[in-house]
Amino acid sequence: SQTIHQWPATLVQPVGSPLSLECTVEGTSNPNLYWYRQAAGRGLQLLFYSVGIGQISSEVPQNLSASRPQDRQFILSSKKLLLSDSGFYLCAWGQDEQFFGPGTRLTVL
Amino acid sequence: EDKVVQSPLSLVVHEGDTVTLNCSYEVTNFRSLLWYKQEKKAPTFLFMLTSSGIEKKSGRLSSILDKKELSSILNITATQTGDSAIYLCSERTSYGKLTFGQGTILTVHP
Repeated sequence: SQTIHQWPATLVQPVGSPLSLECTVEGTSNPNLYWYRQAAGRGLQLLFYSVGIGQISSEVPQNLSASRPQDRQFILSSKKLLLSDSGFYLCAWGQDEQFFGPGTRLTVL
Repeated sequence: EDKVVQSPLSLVVHEGDTVTLNCSYEVTNFRSLLWYKQEKKAPTFLFMLTSSGIEKKSGRLSSILDKKELSSILNITATQTGDSAIYLCSERTSYGKLTFGQGTILTVHP
């Protein structure tokens, strides 16, 4: 069966520091992968999606970037965090139905 | 831009009540509509609807899509405290992208 992992679970970072969040999927190959952000427990905003290694599409202009160095690995990064980057970050895989990882709660102080 | 709108934004009921959550969408390239339940962490999948008028059921939860009205409802009968959660509606378009509504926060009191 497929599983999706995200780490870390929580993160507190100062403004201006770099960020790297990792997501890996097991039990499937060539999955579509997605990064979402959720603010204040409300709806999810799609940040990036990838249909294959090295292929990244960005949905909204922002301070973040994404990379897919391996088939089942998706990384969300920032060179310098802003206060507005705080939120709950979710990785997902799938096409019709999407299945979500456990999420990373990021607080930027 | 596609938009998914959920109502109500929040709802407080007592155990045993029946609730109906609404979702409307505006889309030019509709593929399917999905409902998720989110408790403390990751959203968990409930239903995927692609055909109008066909009800999907899972225990006390059911959902139906109306393509003419561009809407869907999620019903929960005989609510329990464990149903307290955020219910998210999303619309799937090309490349499997999901556009989410704001969510409905459901609180069920004993």
